[in-house]
Amino acid sequence: EPEVTQTPSHQVTQMGQEVILRCVPISNHLYFYWYRQILGQKVEFLVSFYNNEISEKSEIFDDQFSVERPDGSNFTLKIRSTKLEDSAMYFCASRRTGTEAFFGQGTRLTVV
Amino acid sequence: AQSVSQHNHHVILSEAASLELGCNYSYGGTVNLFWYVQYPGQHLQLLLKYFSGDPLVKGIKGFEAEFIKSKFSFNLRKPSVQWSDTAEYFCAAASGTYKYIFGTGTRLKVLA
Repeated sequence: EPEVTQTPSHQVTQMGQEVILRCVPISNHLYFYWYRQILGQKVEFLVSFYNNEISEKSEIFDDQFSVERPDGSNFTLKIRSTKLEDSAMYFCASRRTGTEAFFGQGTRLTVV
Repeated sequence: AQSVSQHNHHVILSEAASLELGCNYSYGGTVNLFWYVQYPGQHLQLLLKYFSGDPLVKGIKGFEAEFIKSKFSFNLRKPSVQWSDTAEYFCAAASGTYKYIFGTGTRLKVLA
């Protein structure tokens, strides 16, 4: 069964450093998403991406965040200068037209 | 504003007990509704979904949910839980853009 894969599973970084979280969506999916879940809180929408551009973003997704689909398979989330409050589980998701989203296993980001 | 609320944050049941988890949504226009389950250390997995048609939706692992439009509810049910159902359950809603709005989640613990 095809699945969304995310790497790394756990990333520890120092405050102020840049991190890139990587995702490989399911191959025939066209819509891509990033969500995050701060420990003990609910899953929050960050950004959606379609046709090589951002289609919607939340207020959390400020100038420190960017997304990219550098090739035909990867979908990345970059945080330019991490803050302590960026510590969270980050989930990538993808979907085809008219279907539900499929989620990856997540990357646990710890900012120290 | 769009929102999803889950009223039960922690539920503890004995095996074979019946389960009902509440979910209410606030959404303008057409809405698609989902229940996801997250087992410890794993990714979000779709239990069931409602797009249209029969408001009683059957999902995997014996779960079902009923969409009651007049009550803005989409409650999850299972007649007899098992120890392996111990997990966190998330209700989610999405409109055409498929930006998911998640509820806060319900942690279910089933005692053997």
